[in-house]
Amino acid sequence: DVKVTQSSRYLVKRTGEKVFLECVQDMDHENMFWYRQDPGLGLRLIYFSYDVKMKEKGDIPEGYSVSREKKERFSLILESASTNQTSMYLCASDRMNTGELFFGEGSRLTVL
Amino acid sequence: SQKIEQNSEALNIQEGKTATLTCNYTNYSPAYLQWYRQDPGRGPVFLLLIRENEKEKRKERLKVTFDTTLKQSLFHITASQPADSATYLCALDESNDYKLSFGAGTTVTVRA
Repeated sequence: DVKVTQSSRYLVKRTGEKVFLECVQDMDHENMFWYRQDPGLGLRLIYFSYDVKMKEKGDIPEGYSVSREKKERFSLILESASTNQTSMYLCASDRMNTGELFFGEGSRLTVL
Repeated sequence: SQKIEQNSEALNIQEGKTATLTCNYTNYSPAYLQWYRQDPGRGPVFLLLIRENEKEKRKERLKVTFDTTLKQSLFHITASQPADSATYLCALDESNDYKLSFGAGTTVTVRA
C-alpha cells in the first residue's frame, strides 16, 4: 500500500516563526501536493510538484514556499507564520495514470 | 476558476437507507470526477473515479453517476451502515493536469 507520511500531526507555533512541514511518500510517485483544509472551504491547493526541483503554484501560494530535493520528499515552508495560517495541512501524492490522490494523515498547525 | 458545490453540509439517515449526495460544478468540463471519504482528523481516502464517458460506476454499496450536461455527480451509499458515517468529498481536475479541486464536503451520519 502507498504510504504518505507527514512528519508532525500537531504543531503550535508563534507568529513570525519559520515553520517546516515535511512529507514523504514511498511509492515513487512523480506528483506531490500540499493542500490546506479549513471548515466550509474544503481543500485548497497551495503548491504542487511534478518532479524533483520543480514546483508550481496552486490556488493560494501566498505566504508559503516549497522544496523538493528528492523525489520522495516534499516540504512546505511558512517563512513567517501568521495566525491566518492556522489550519489542517494535507500532503498528497498521485499515481499519474489515474490522478487518484493518496493523502497523509495531516498536520494540524496552530499559530498563536 | 472552477466552483464545486456539494448539496448540503450534513446528512442524517437511518441505517439501511440510501444516502444520496450531490456534487455540482460550473465553468469547465472535467475529464473525470472523483469521490473521497474523510474521517475526523484523518486525511481523505480515495473511493471512486468516474470518467466523462461513463454514466455510472459501482463499488460494493457505492454508486456514482456523472451527468456532464447537468454538470452534476450523484454519490449513493446503499444499505447504509453506521460505519459509513464520515465526510464525503467530490473532486475534479478542471484542466486535466492532475491538480484536483475539491468541494467542501458533505458529512453523513448514519443512525443505528
